[in-house]
Amino acid sequence: EDKVVQSPLSLVVHEGDTVTLNCSYEVTNFRSLLWYKQEKKAPTFLFMLTSSGIEKKSGRLSSILDKKELFSILNITATQTGDSAIYLCAVYGRTGYALNFGKGTSLLVTP
Amino acid sequence: DGGITQSPKYLFRKEGQNVTLSCEQNLNHDAMYWYRQDPGQGLRLIYYSQIVNDFQKGDIAEGYSVSREKKESFPLTVTSAQKNPTAFYLCASTTGRRQYGYTFGSGTRLTVV
Repeated sequence: EDKVVQSPLSLVVHEGDTVTLNCSYEVTNFRSLLWYKQEKKAPTFLFMLTSSGIEKKSGRLSSILDKKELFSILNITATQTGDSAIYLCAVYGRTGYALNFGKGTSLLVTP
Repeated sequence: DGGITQSPKYLFRKEGQNVTLSCEQNLNHDAMYWYRQDPGQGLRLIYYSQIVNDFQKGDIAEGYSVSREKKESFPLTVTSAQKNPTAFYLCASTTGRRQYGYTFGSGTRLTVV
């Protein structure tokens, strides 16, 4: 059975802190891993990772994949209150056609 | 603007009633999906469809039904057989070539009263 496990499940930090969110996976026939940010309703796309060791960056956010150890991390530097959200990790599962999501990490950034 | 529209945003249902959630996209995407989100549970796959007139069960299909008569539309019916229907329902679509992620709708919050 495919698994996507995120940790921690929740996190509270102060503005300016750096956070690291973790995602480990066990899936048949891995193709790609995706990160989404969900603030209120619709998740928004952050990154798609397919190759090991290649960091993807977007502003203060960055992510990297380790296909040997089957995990990915999402880093957020100099956090702001606007980073408060649920961060979702997903991989294409055994069917190859649908994303299998983790439970998410709920991040709260306090002023 | 292209996107996915889910309606209604909020829905209340009495126990024993069926209810249908709408999902329409104008992105010309082939694949469409329905997920359910409960607090602390992440997104769980209900049904998905790769092409018109074809769909597959996801991990939690019991008590739900779908149809895909048009490429743009993928309605979800929550039947009275679904024992715990109160949840947030998200519809998504993609081109079907798995190198792209999903585009999500804004969701429907269903409450059983």
